[in-house]
Amino acid sequence: DAGVTQSPTHLIKTRGQQVTLRCSPKSGHDTVSWYQQALGQGPQFIFQYYEEEERQRGNFPDRFSGHQFPNYSSELNVNALLLGDSALYLCASSFGVSNQPQHFGDGTRLSIL
Amino acid sequence: AQSVAQPEDQVNVAEGNPLTVKCTYSVSGNPYLFWYVQYPNRGLQFLLKYITGDNLVKGSYGFEAEFNKSQTSFHLKKPSALVSDSALYFCAVRDGGDDKIIFGKGTRLHILP
Repeated sequence: DAGVTQSPTHLIKTRGQQVTLRCSPKSGHDTVSWYQQALGQGPQFIFQYYEEEERQRGNFPDRFSGHQFPNYSSELNVNALLLGDSALYLCASSFGVSNQPQHFGDGTRLSIL
Repeated sequence: AQSVAQPEDQVNVAEGNPLTVKCTYSVSGNPYLFWYVQYPNRGLQFLLKYITGDNLVKGSYGFEAEFNKSQTSFHLKKPSALVSDSALYFCAVRDGGDDKIIFGKGTRLHILP
């Protein structure tokens, strides 16, 4: 039973570029949440997708956008990259919008030069 | 707005001794509380949760946590620490009327042999 998988594991971009990160949820899960974890900090909630729609959003600018596909996989897109976007981006999946714990992938390490 | 505080950046405990990692929270509604652990270069792993019911919650790897409503705390505990427990621990809270989960900044636990 595969857990949450994220790709790529590492990525290096320059300021102003755009990036797409991908996430496949754990089998049986239909809800995907994205988090940004800066060095030495806890994960910060970006947004959550359920039934292919953005259900809730954290305090992130519109440069951060996402998508969920019919197979429940998800993408996180970031436009006009800034140095401050350098972080570990974590995807978490769960079943429904409920109190079930989220299962996390190992993340994508994004470095902006 | 909901928030989580982990007052200790680092906790050092000798192997075999009991350990406590502190967490306090603030929510407007009923709190749903979680503890996660993160090992280097990995995502977060779920340890335990409190939704309702008994104030003492038992979780994975011998960890437990005590919910204290009057003190708005949810401290993580283990009776006898192992060197392998050394990792970064995150407390998280979800307000009952909200979907997003807010994480604390994390506490680094060092178990000394």
